[in-house]
Amino acid sequence: DIRLTQSPSTLSASVGDRVTITCRASQYISDWLAWYQQKPGEAPKLLIYRSSVLESGVPSRFSGSGSGTDFTLTISSLQPGDSATYYCQQSETFGQGTKVEIK
Amino acid sequence: QVQLEQSGAEVKKPGASVKVSCKASGYTFSAYYLHWVRQAPGQGLEWLGLINPGVGATRFSRKFQDRVSLTRDTSTNTAYMEMNNLRPDDTAIYYCARDRVVDGTSAYLTFWGQGTLVTVSS
Repeated sequence: DIRLTQSPSTLSASVGDRVTITCRASQYISDWLAWYQQKPGEAPKLLIYRSSVLESGVPSRFSGSGSGTDFTLTISSLQPGDSATYYCQQSETFGQGTKVEIK
Repeated sequence: QVQLEQSGAEVKKPGASVKVSCKASGYTFSAYYLHWVRQAPGQGLEWLGLINPGVGATRFSRKFQDRVSLTRDTSTNTAYMEMNNLRPDDTAIYYCARDRVVDGTSAYLTFWGQGTLVTVSS
């Protein structure tokens, strides 16, 4: 089974900062990776699929990259509403999540 | 607009079964796979399985294949997740979520239900 390992588990950054979250797969997965944002009390929201394709309606400050086993989610300029937990996903496997807090 | 409306919270005793519904609207029900994902309190996301509403075919996570069944009723555009032999560690929010692609599965989940809290406690 494929395992996805996210880092860091938690990060704290200021509004306007560039934030990067990484996701490492235990084996080659090409570009079959998605990223979700989940705010407390809400269902997850798809941000990016196929590693780098932005879902419709998602702000352009979110971007994804990577292929093979190493992937990144970048928020180019952190906004107050971006405080959430972010998950990577490959098929039936999710990463453990990265909680993003605003300083 | 696409909506997935799930049934209300449930409280069950260990060993019991629970059946959660997910009523779809705003799109062609049979054309998009539905996935089920759960989230224990304070924990991450865990995939349970999927159903092709068009033909009723299912696929499950190995962890749940012996205790979970997925069905659908095309006359009411409703999907169901039933879990048997519940344990306290099955306490979680259970979500249904629609796949992004038509007539197949990408596992990219674009629309989600509001979630159903299932509590298992004696």
